[in-house]
Amino acid sequence: AQSVTQPDIHITVSEGASLELRCNYSYGATPYLFWYVQSPGQGLQLLLKYFSGDTLVQGIKGFEAEFKRSQSSFNLRKPSVHWSDAAEYFCAVGANTNAGKSTFGDGTTLTVKP
Amino acid sequence: DGGITQSPKYLFRKEGQNVTLSCEQNLNHDAMYWYRQDPGQGLRLIYYSQIVNDFQKGDIAEGYSVSREKKESFPLTVTSAQKNPTAFYLCASRGLDQETQYFGPGTRLLVL
Repeated sequence: AQSVTQPDIHITVSEGASLELRCNYSYGATPYLFWYVQSPGQGLQLLLKYFSGDTLVQGIKGFEAEFKRSQSSFNLRKPSVHWSDAAEYFCAVGANTNAGKSTFGDGTTLTVKP
Repeated sequence: DGGITQSPKYLFRKEGQNVTLSCEQNLNHDAMYWYRQDPGQGLRLIYYSQIVNDFQKGDIAEGYSVSREKKESFPLTVTSAQKNPTAFYLCASRGLDQETQYFGPGTRLLVL
């Protein structure tokens, strides 16, 4: 069975500081990995995804993530955080089989200090 | 513009009442999904459908029902059997030749 762990429930960073959100997954084969962002009361917006190839993937809003198979991780990074990045972030693992179902982590809430 | 719409944005349910949440997409996606989101938790899968007139239970289907009569529509009914329905409900869709799910804006269900 596939699973996702986001170890940090809540992270606070200062505006302009760098950010790293952790994600660990469990999956039997090569996973499809996703990061989504959710603003309060809104749906989820896709930030980036990894299926194969280059293990460093670029996404929208200046985010990037690195797939590390040996560590079963897919951490999200941003070099300089903006106040508008405050939101909840979800990591997900999925597959093209299994009806395309994805399993989501419990999320990490990001607070940005001025 | 292509996308996924959910209505209403807020829905109030009385005890013993069934309510239906709407999800419509014009992305020509074959697969559609319903998730429930509770505070501090991730998304949990309620039901999903890969083609018209077919759907499968997810992890927490008890107290919910769905239909898929049209490709564009996947309504979710929260029945009176669901004893704790207060949550944020998200609908998503996916093309069968794609790997990514795209989400609607959500419906918040509250119990009066």
